[in-house]
Formats: sequence, C-alpha cells, structure tokens
Amino acid sequence: QKEVEQNSGPLSVPEGAIASLNCTYSDRGSQSFFWYRQYSGKSPELIMSIYSNGDKEDGRFTAQLNKASQYVSLLIRDSQPSDSATYLCSLGSGAGSYQLTFGKGTKLSVIP
Amino acid sequence: DARVTQTPRHKVTEMGQEVTMRCQPILGHNTVFWYRQTMMQGLELLAYFRNRAPLDDSGMPKDRFSAEMPDATLATLKIQPSEPRDSAVYFCASGLDLAVDEQYFGPGTRLTVT
Repeated sequence: QKEVEQNSGPLSVPEGAIASLNCTYSDRGSQSFFWYRQYSGKSPELIMSIYSNGDKEDGRFTAQLNKASQYVSLLIRDSQPSDSATYLCSLGSGAGSYQLTFGKGTKLSVIP
Repeated sequence: DARVTQTPRHKVTEMGQEVTMRCQPILGHNTVFWYRQTMMQGLELLAYFRNRAPLDDSGMPKDRFSAEMPDATLATLKIQPSEPRDSAVYFCASGLDLAVDEQYFGPGTRLTVT
C-alpha cells in the first residue's frame, strides 16, 4: 500500500521567511510528484509538479525531489499571508496508472 | 474559464436516503476522478474513469456506492443507502490522459448524513 507522510503542522512562519514543507513516501515505483494547495473550504489546486531528482523552481516556489531517500519538499520563499493554506503532497506511480495518492497535508500559517 | 463543476455544493440528508452527486468535467478532458476528503482520512480516491470507462473503483464501498459516466460531460456518484460515516466532502477532478497526472478539482459537494 502506498503511503505518503506529511507533518500535519501547523507550521508557522513569519511573513517574508522561507517556509519548508516536507513529504516522504513508501512506493519506490513512484514516478511523479505533486504539491497541491488547499485553502480552507476550497478544493485542492495544483501548484507544482516534479518528475526527476533535483530542484524545480517556479516563481517563489521550489520543489525538491530525492528518489533515493524517498522524499519531496516544497520551499516557499518570501512567504506571504496569502500562502496560508494546507499543502498536500501527492504522487503518481505512472506506468499507465492515473491514480494519485495524497498525503493528509501540512497546514501552513504565515504570520504578518 | 474552464472549470470542473459539481452539484449540489451542499447536501444534508437523513440516514438511509439516496444521495446523487454530479460532476461536469472540463470540456475535452477524458479522465474523471472521484475523491472523498475527511479530517481523519484525508483525500481518498474512490473511483476513476478514462474515456467514460471505469478503470478502478476499488476505493469505493461496493455495497452502497456506485459511479457512472452516462456521457462525456457528466459523471455521477450515488450512495444508497447513505450512512452518517459517509459525511465528507466529495471532490470530482478531471484531466487529460496525455498529461495523466495533472488533475483539476471541482469545488466539491459537502455531504452531511444525520
């Protein structure tokens, strides 16, 4: 059974700081990794995808993947109060499967 | 502005009643997913379709849940009979099988079974 583990938080960071969100997974066959942001009472929104080891940057967001250690992280630079949300880590196994497995999410609070 | 739509947005019903939730995927998307989200379990995949054909419904309680896609613009999730433990937010998501892992979520149906 695939498992995706995240610290539930809340993770509190001051405005302007770097927020670091981490995720570990059990399935070594996983080939694709995603971060979704979910505001309270809203639906998940895809913000980052990463498929190969290393870093991928998109604006203030950087996703990091280390398949050997089975972890993926999300860094948010210059955190803003609008970044306060729950961040869901998810992974796909590829190989023709359309199924994503989600972690339970880390709640981030950016303090003004 | 292409979005996944879901109806109803909120549903309160009594135990034993039938519940039907509807989803309209983004036009042109050929994969549709049903998820359930609770505080305890997080986001769980219930079933998914590709080109209207069910590919996997192993996440659903078979005795009471059913999912169908009568046409490319409509997916339904039914619960009969409903139970209090079914109370959750049910999300539909759609995607393209060429971008298989990118799923776009609808606003969800918040179901309360009393």
